[in-house]
Amino acid sequence: EDKVVQSPLSLVVHEGDTVTLNCSYEVTNFRSLLWYKQEKKAPTFLFMLTSSGIEKKSGRLSSILDKKELFSILNITATQTGDSAIYLCAVENLNAGGTSYGKLTFGQGTILTVHP
Amino acid sequence: DTEVTQTPKHLVMGMTNKKSLKCEQHMGHRAMYWYKQKAKKPPELMFVYSYEKLSINESVPSRFSPECPNSSLLNLHLHALQPEDSALYLCASSQAPTSTSGRNEQFFGPGTRLTVL
Repeated sequence: EDKVVQSPLSLVVHEGDTVTLNCSYEVTNFRSLLWYKQEKKAPTFLFMLTSSGIEKKSGRLSSILDKKELFSILNITATQTGDSAIYLCAVENLNAGGTSYGKLTFGQGTILTVHP
Repeated sequence: DTEVTQTPKHLVMGMTNKKSLKCEQHMGHRAMYWYKQKAKKPPELMFVYSYEKLSINESVPSRFSPECPNSSLLNLHLHALQPEDSALYLCASSQAPTSTSGRNEQFFGPGTRLTVL
């Protein structure tokens, strides 16, 4: 059974701190790993990673994938109160035919709270 | 237009009611998804439509009936629901999921908050 595990489950920091969120996975026929940010409603797409070692960056957020060790990290530097949210990691895999199901397996999420 | 829209935002229904949730996207995506999300839990996949055909049904009870009238629209018909079906129902879309390469990230709508009394 495909499994995605995130840690920590919750994290409380102060503005300006740097945080590292972890995501490990065990899936058959890995295709991609995605990070989402969820505030009140819909998850908002952050990054998609398919290759090891290539760091994705967007402002204060960055993410890297290690396909050998089966994990990814999401870094947020100089945190702001607006970064408070649930961060979801999801993995997409391929079916036996080598094409995507379109199915995402989500981790349980990390609840990040940033205090002023 | 890079948005997925869902209506209604909130829905309260009795166990004998019939209602429908609607989802629309105009990004030219050919895959659309229904997810169910309970409080403090990650989204759980219910259905996947690929090129307007149902490609995945995650053993969802028949009281949930999806429909994809065209490539931009996705409906979820609800009938005889139970109180435990109360949840946030999310719709998402992506480029063709049968692609082995290229970007396939899913974009989510704001969801419908469903309460079953």
